[in-house]
Amino acid sequence: DAGVIQSPRHEVTEMGQEVTLRCKPISGHDYLFWYRQTMMRGLELLIYFNNNVPIDDSGMPEDRFSAKMPNASFSTLKIQPSEPRDSAVYFCASTPDREETQYFGPGTRLLVL
Amino acid sequence: GENVEQHPSTLSVQEGDSAVIKCTYSDSASNYFPWYKQELGKGPQLIIDIRSNVGEKKDQRIAVTLNKTAKHFSLHITETQPEDSAVYFCAARGHQGGKLIFGQGTELSVKP
Repeated sequence: DAGVIQSPRHEVTEMGQEVTLRCKPISGHDYLFWYRQTMMRGLELLIYFNNNVPIDDSGMPEDRFSAKMPNASFSTLKIQPSEPRDSAVYFCASTPDREETQYFGPGTRLLVL
Repeated sequence: GENVEQHPSTLSVQEGDSAVIKCTYSDSASNYFPWYKQELGKGPQLIIDIRSNVGEKKDQRIAVTLNKTAKHFSLHITETQPEDSAVYFCAARGHQGGKLIFGQGTELSVKP
């Protein structure tokens, strides 16, 4: 299996622009998680889905952030409008069952100027 | 709320020595404790995990111990090698499953 796939791997944008991050979970994994990693706050869970349905979005910072999972093999995290403080590494992870291990993708490094 | 504390934040050892990283958790209902290794420019990768019905688990040079009463668990790496250098994260998951709470990370440096 190719593992969790994320794109783009790097993104540089200007403040105010819309940013869309993409994730393809491991086939057969029913749970998908979006994390943000910064030096100050470490690894934070933003939102997670089960069978394409958002279960817990309490970690989403504010209304500028939104996430969707239109089907079992694809999810997006959108930031609109982006701000410099959104600069971070965003990870997607998936797992076949909530009691099992989460497998992380390589991350998207976002820089908002 | 749920919290996981991890110490130390940085750890430097000589090749061949042992390294120990410790974590404490706040939610007494937590029942799953994974450890992840993150190398520069990569995502966290699971290296070992333990469930609350087990006190210790070992996989070659890596071992994890769990003390449920004290609510803490530790990662032990023996005979460290330069390629063990990375950031290590502990995490805990509550009894309801799904959500992992991560520690702040430990940057391990193994000097040849």
